[in-house]
Amino acid sequence: GAGVSQSPSNKVTEKGKDVELRCDPISGHTALYWYRQSLGQGLEFLIYFQGNSAPDKSGLPSDRFSAERTGGSVSTLTIQRTQQEDSAVYLCASSLAFAATNYGYTFGSGTRLTVV
Amino acid sequence: AQSVSQHNHHVILSEAASLELGCNYSYGGTVNLFWYVQYPGQHLQLLLKYFSGDPLVKGIKGFEAEFIKSKFSFNLRKPSVQWSDTAEYFCAVPDGGSQGNLIFGKGTKLSVKP
Repeated sequence: GAGVSQSPSNKVTEKGKDVELRCDPISGHTALYWYRQSLGQGLEFLIYFQGNSAPDKSGLPSDRFSAERTGGSVSTLTIQRTQQEDSAVYLCASSLAFAATNYGYTFGSGTRLTVV
Repeated sequence: AQSVSQHNHHVILSEAASLELGCNYSYGGTVNLFWYVQYPGQHLQLLLKYFSGDPLVKGIKGFEAEFIKSKFSFNLRKPSVQWSDTAEYFCAVPDGGSQGNLIFGKGTKLSVKP
């Protein structure tokens, strides 16, 4: 597509429920990144995919968080047993392989997650 | 690990005032530097980037930034701000690891009074 598409744009969920966030990167972008943006905290790096592989998952804040990417395109970020501290905007970005350090990313509009 | 500091959390200016937002990163070597902007209700957009060459980089909407290697700084400037510049501004540098991810500062919120 023309840009990075994220869905849903807003999600309100009850504490303890599971949620799934989706990211559709720019066509041809093999690198995909997930970040979390909390008020006053800037952007926290969560995970990176090169193709379908995520070589380092250490940025995920807990084992309730997981992410996958299939077909080298769409990625889903799943949060199990959501907690109130998971409330944030979850951002996805994509780039050409290893180009982020030279050229930066293209970001999606994010999913605003509210856990009540 | 690399880190990024943005000194100002919230800056309030009147239209036509000059702007300078500070950004410092923790260690040098070859480094690429970025400023992103997030207008209210919109997604993060690349404002400008330094890759190599002239340390004074010009971006969109009249913004510029100067890379000063000796000070580990990449401050963002604009001579005369407009109300439409109201946004949050983020400085970013590569993490330096194998993943090619960027490390972002905590952001500076700019409010421009008409």
